[in-house]
Amino acid sequence: SAVISQKPSRDICQRGTSLTIQCQVDSQVTMMFWYRQQPGQSLTLIATANQGSEATYESGFVIDKFPISRPNLTFSTLTVSNMSPEDSSIYLCSVPSRGNNYGYTFGSGTRLTVV
Amino acid sequence: ELKVEQNPLFLSMQEGKNYTIYCNYSTTSDRLYWYRQDPGKSLESLFVLLSNGAVKQEGRLMASLDTKARLSTLHITAAVHDLSATYFCAVDSGTYKYIFGTGTRLKVLA
Repeated sequence: SAVISQKPSRDICQRGTSLTIQCQVDSQVTMMFWYRQQPGQSLTLIATANQGSEATYESGFVIDKFPISRPNLTFSTLTVSNMSPEDSSIYLCSVPSRGNNYGYTFGSGTRLTVV
Repeated sequence: ELKVEQNPLFLSMQEGKNYTIYCNYSTTSDRLYWYRQDPGKSLESLFVLLSNGAVKQEGRLMASLDTKARLSTLHITAAVHDLSATYFCAVDSGTYKYIFGTGTRLKVLA
């Protein structure tokens, strides 16, 4: 299955600032997914990032707040903009493992704390 | 809109006991996945269930899928402390997007 390197693993940020999270995959993948996991909660899909096109955002998430880049088939970034304490969460990227029948592989996650 | 519910949300059990976690979903899907998450860690894939009646087993865990009832179960046999974690089911919405269940936080007591 794919191996994902996600950075940073954690960060503490001041409100009003922005943080960019990176995910590097060891193989080419068409779709990458970004999730948010708020403290003690389940995972919520933020957006789907396809190479060469605009990301598709889920209800409740907007591009101005969570801009995504997907410059090639192995890399993507998610920026959390103008942060507030409510943005404190774990953010994870995910890619299909050898096709959808094998489930998905997740990055190690970025634990973000906004103070 | 696809909704996925798990129960129980919290489960505290003694070592050696058996228990079942349930995952119900609201619309048709024939792909369901189970994941494990340890505190502060990412998600680890446990099972991929792709058809009605599918049953998968790994060690003390067994997962099954009933697509007609829109129900999956994760059965724990003779629990051990190492199984303490949060378990999530996730359902494929049909567009390669997962909808995750609420999660079940399992604590196995020695």
